[in-house]
Amino acid sequence: GQNIDQPTEMTATEGAIVQINCTYQTSGFNGLFWYQQHAGEAPTFLSYNVLDGLEEKGRFSSFLSRSKGYSYLLLKELQMKDSASYLCAVRDSNYQLIWGAGTKLIIKP
Amino acid sequence: DAMVIQNPRYQVTQFGKPVTLSCSQTLNHNVMYWYQQKSSQAPKLLFHYYDKDFNNEADTPDNFQSRRPNTSFCFLDIRSPGLGDAAMYLCATSKDGGGVSKAFFGQGTRLTVV
Repeated sequence: GQNIDQPTEMTATEGAIVQINCTYQTSGFNGLFWYQQHAGEAPTFLSYNVLDGLEEKGRFSSFLSRSKGYSYLLLKELQMKDSASYLCAVRDSNYQLIWGAGTKLIIKP
Repeated sequence: DAMVIQNPRYQVTQFGKPVTLSCSQTLNHNVMYWYQQKSSQAPKLLFHYYDKDFNNEADTPDNFQSRRPNTSFCFLDIRSPGLGDAAMYLCATSKDGGGVSKAFFGQGTRLTVV
């Protein structure tokens, strides 16, 4: 079966750095997405990786290793507004998105 | 400007009373998706349209139907809502079914069944 694993919850301090991991087992691979979802709101797109390596976009970076079925989202200089759930999603060989359950990130002052 | 718009934002319906949720988009994307998301769970794909072609997920209950009268609009009909159908319903669009295309989500409709 297809599976996306992420930690359920993480806590970090304002101004610090946090890394959210995602491992996947899917039928084929056509890209990995990270979305941010605030409570009660829809997911918003953060990043896309299809080749191995690191993609940097401001305070957020995303890394992919296809051979390991592994990705992480790195958030730097954490702000209180970064408190949200972070969803990892993989596009499989049928171009369908397989979603993880999300990691709830709690930022403390 | 909002690109994927869902109405209403919050919907309360009675047990067993049919309800329709709507989604419209200004992106001219050819693929539209409906997801159901319950608290602390991954979004669950119910069905999607690739242009006019309807694709139903195998485990989507018959209670859920969809219509796409044109490129811009898509509707989710729940024929007889049960208490277990209370959830956030997310509409999303993408251009084509693959490639680099990412899904754009609407703000969601939170459905309460009483």
